[in-house]
Amino acid sequence: DTAVSQTPKYLVTQMGNDKSIKCEQNLGHDTMYWYKQDSKKFLKIMFSYNNKELIINETVPNRFSPKSPDKAHLNLHINSLELGDSAVYFCASSSSRQETQYFGPGTRLLVL
Amino acid sequence: GQNIDQPTEMTATEGAIVQINCTYQTSGFNGLFWYQQHAGEAPTFLSYNVLDGLEEKGRFSSFLSRSKGYSYLLLKELQMKDSASYLCAVRERPDKLIFGTGTRLQVFP
Repeated sequence: DTAVSQTPKYLVTQMGNDKSIKCEQNLGHDTMYWYKQDSKKFLKIMFSYNNKELIINETVPNRFSPKSPDKAHLNLHINSLELGDSAVYFCASSSSRQETQYFGPGTRLLVL
Repeated sequence: GQNIDQPTEMTATEGAIVQINCTYQTSGFNGLFWYQQHAGEAPTFLSYNVLDGLEEKGRFSSFLSRSKGYSYLLLKELQMKDSASYLCAVRERPDKLIFGTGTRLQVFP
């Protein structure tokens, strides 16, 4: 199937741990994004990469580090997890020739 | 600053028409999107407006007035499966989507 996929779908971990979320798209898009959706369902951009280059970095704590090994992948590494990091993290992708962003299924992160 | 306002909740009856409004104040406007999000799922694209006017796509239509900073999403012939959150999002350059808080629509039989 052509889509944006994320792993894992659920992530439960202890405060202070380091974790990674992976995202892959096989739509041939050149731009990828990470969004955070909090408990109030507010969806906010965190990062975007275009052709492996960081384009948007929205006042996100530097405990969050995105990594784009190639155009089809954008991973998110989070150090020293805090309770407030609990949220749903969505990956998305788009093509510079087409405006629509397509979202992955989300990763539900719970920090205990 | 950036500000996107939508009603928090709306209810409607199956078969009816509902209009969800969105007002925005942003810099560098480069288009307005509507997304649908069912509970526990990813947002899915519904419509895109970059010029003033109405875009129609089946049962869904979206309108934009850039001078008024206003858009609406019109849903016709409502079905139970239309119960979801509807997210208004403004695109700013270079390619940043700013989302509103979403409108939770409940459709009743």
